[in-house]
Amino acid sequence: AQSVTQLGSHVSVSEGALVLLRCNYSSSVPPYLFWYVQYPNQGLQLLLKYTSAATLVKGINGFEAEFKKSETSFHLTKPSAHMSDAAEYFCAVSEIRSSASKIIFGSGTRLSIRP
Amino acid sequence: ETGVTQTPRHLVMGMTNKKSLKCEQHLGHNAMYWYKQSAKKPLELMFVYNFKEQTENNSVPSRFSPECPNSSHLFLHLHTLQPEDSALYLCASSQAAGEAFFGQGTRLTVV
Repeated sequence: AQSVTQLGSHVSVSEGALVLLRCNYSSSVPPYLFWYVQYPNQGLQLLLKYTSAATLVKGINGFEAEFKKSETSFHLTKPSAHMSDAAEYFCAVSEIRSSASKIIFGSGTRLSIRP
Repeated sequence: ETGVTQTPRHLVMGMTNKKSLKCEQHLGHNAMYWYKQSAKKPLELMFVYNFKEQTENNSVPSRFSPECPNSSHLFLHLHTLQPEDSALYLCASSQAAGEAFFGQGTRLTVV
């Protein structure tokens, strides 16, 4: 069965500092992996996705993530945080079995940015 | 505009009421999902439909009843809810195992 673990429910960084949000996954088949962002009272917006092509994936708003199979990780990074990055971030894994797809989300990490 | 539209955006209902949440997508996706998001709790997958057939029911109480009449529409019928069912209900769609596209959600308050 698939699962996603996000380490740290809350991460706080200074504006201009490196952002690192951690995600580990478990999947019995090659996974598709995603990072989403959620602003208050909004739905989730896709930041980036890994679908078995390049292991380093670039997304919107300067975010990127690296798929490491040996570590079963898909950590999200951004070199320099902006105040507008403050939001909730979710890692997700999907797999398809017998034509039925399912997407499972991690518990989320709230990112705060200090001025 | 994400391509997935949920109505209503806000709903207040009593414990004896019956109401329905609606989700519509015109992205040509074959999978649709209901998620529940409560304060300080993980995003919970409730139901999954693939090609209009229910393929996942994540032990959801029977007071929540999903309906998928076609691949573009998904409903969540609500009856005799409890205050702890108050949450943000999110609908999403995807094409096979691809990324999910989310609606803006329905903020449900049970009084």
